Amino acid sequence: GDSVTQMEGPVTLSEEAFLTINCTYTATGYPSLFWYVQYPGEGLQLLLKATKADDKGSNKGFEATYRKETTSFHLEKGSVQVSDSAVYFCALKGSSGSARQLTFGSGTQLTVLP
Amino acid sequence: NAGVTQTPKFRILKIGQSMTLQCAQDMNHNYMYWYRQDPGMGLKLIYYSVGAGITDKGEVPNGYNVSRSTTEDFPLRLELAAPSQTSVYFCASGGTGNTEAFFGQGTRLTVV
Repeated sequence: GDSVTQMEGPVTLSEEAFLTINCTYTATGYPSLFWYVQYPGEGLQLLLKATKADDKGSNKGFEATYRKETTSFHLEKGSVQVSDSAVYFCALKGSSGSARQLTFGSGTQLTVLP
Repeated sequence: NAGVTQTPKFRILKIGQSMTLQCAQDMNHNYMYWYRQDPGMGLKLIYYSVGAGITDKGEVPNGYNVSRSTTEDFPLRLELAAPSQTSVYFCASGGTGNTEAFFGQGTRLTVV
């Protein structure tokens, strides 16, 4: 079945550092890919998405590019802020039939220090 | 604009008790999901539904039941609660195609 493998955490960075969180996936067909963010005590919020190969999703300075050749969707941000501290989840949505589940990676805890 | 509403927010159950976690969405979404999130862990899919009257098991369905009699509601039933079901439960809904899912605020359940 579909699966998402995400960079293990936790990740601790200083403010204004560059962030990369790796995400690779296994899926049949052409899934849609998502990054969600979870702030403490809250539900998940969509951060960005990409629905086909070579699409780049972006939001709030975060970016991720759908790379079908490497089955990857790595999250990047050029300069993190303390307010970016949260747990980040990579997810995919299958492209047909019962594969239309939404499958999540294990999450990466990010802490940004001032 | 309510989105996905989960009730209750918190609950403590004794071993062997039963309860229903409620989930309602007002976005006319066909897809609805139930996940559990254990401390420090990712989300595991319990059940999902692609429309009224249709439900399917996810990764960890044992000990749970669901029903989907309307598009709006997707309750999760716990029978004979066990300590292993202590977790935070999230309901989500989404449209068809490539659209994203929207999450509720979660229900924190403790079984003692």
